[in-house]
Amino acid sequence: EVQLVESGGGLVKPGGSLRLSCAASGFTFSHTYMSWVRQAPGKGLEWVGRIKSKTDGGTTDYAAPVKGRFTISRDDSKNTLYLQLNSLKTEDTAVYYCTIDRANYFDYWGQGTLVTVSS
Amino acid sequence: DIQMTQSPSTLSASVGDRVTITCRASQSISTWLAWYQQKPGKAPNLLIYDASSLQSGVPSRFSGSGSGTEFTLTISSLQPDDFATYYCQHYNSYRMYTFGQGTKLEIK
Repeated sequence: EVQLVESGGGLVKPGGSLRLSCAASGFTFSHTYMSWVRQAPGKGLEWVGRIKSKTDGGTTDYAAPVKGRFTISRDDSKNTLYLQLNSLKTEDTAVYYCTIDRANYFDYWGQGTLVTVSS
Repeated sequence: DIQMTQSPSTLSASVGDRVTITCRASQSISTWLAWYQQKPGKAPNLLIYDASSLQSGVPSRFSGSGSGTEFTLTISSLQPDDFATYYCQHYNSYRMYTFGQGTKLEIK
């Protein structure tokens, strides 16, 4: 059974940093592209960024609002995906979901972790 | 950037109704479109991918159609469990994913 479990969310001040983790199981993590998607309170879904499998170069892509501030990485030995959030803004407040990325769509999602940016 | 526009934003319907939600792309996207259902407090659930392929485990009352710039998600006979928010999503050639703004399906 595929499982994605996010952790690391919390309250942080504007300008602060946070690292989210996503523990994956039930599939071959190292061969799989992964994405982060977020949802601000009461709003729609917004793609944050993606990391390819290392066999496909392990490269990353980001949405414009987070490029240069957020970094996605992966540790295939631990089956874990990460999202480093730096220079946080109040508009980054959202539930952050870890997803399996099939290059055109997302077929498995974690339960999400809430990041609140507030002074 | 390709924009995805869903309509309507809110839809009121009754159990047993046939409902259709539309997603329009600002330029042709072939059949690179997916649909998701999201219930309050829960993660989205993939319903349809490649415009018309039904995800495993999704009831057959859900169907998707369209190509180019206009796509539809149809629920043939609404069930109580179907009242939720629905999103379309596209992956474009700029290596970015775009979601529609969502359609909230409410009980009439």
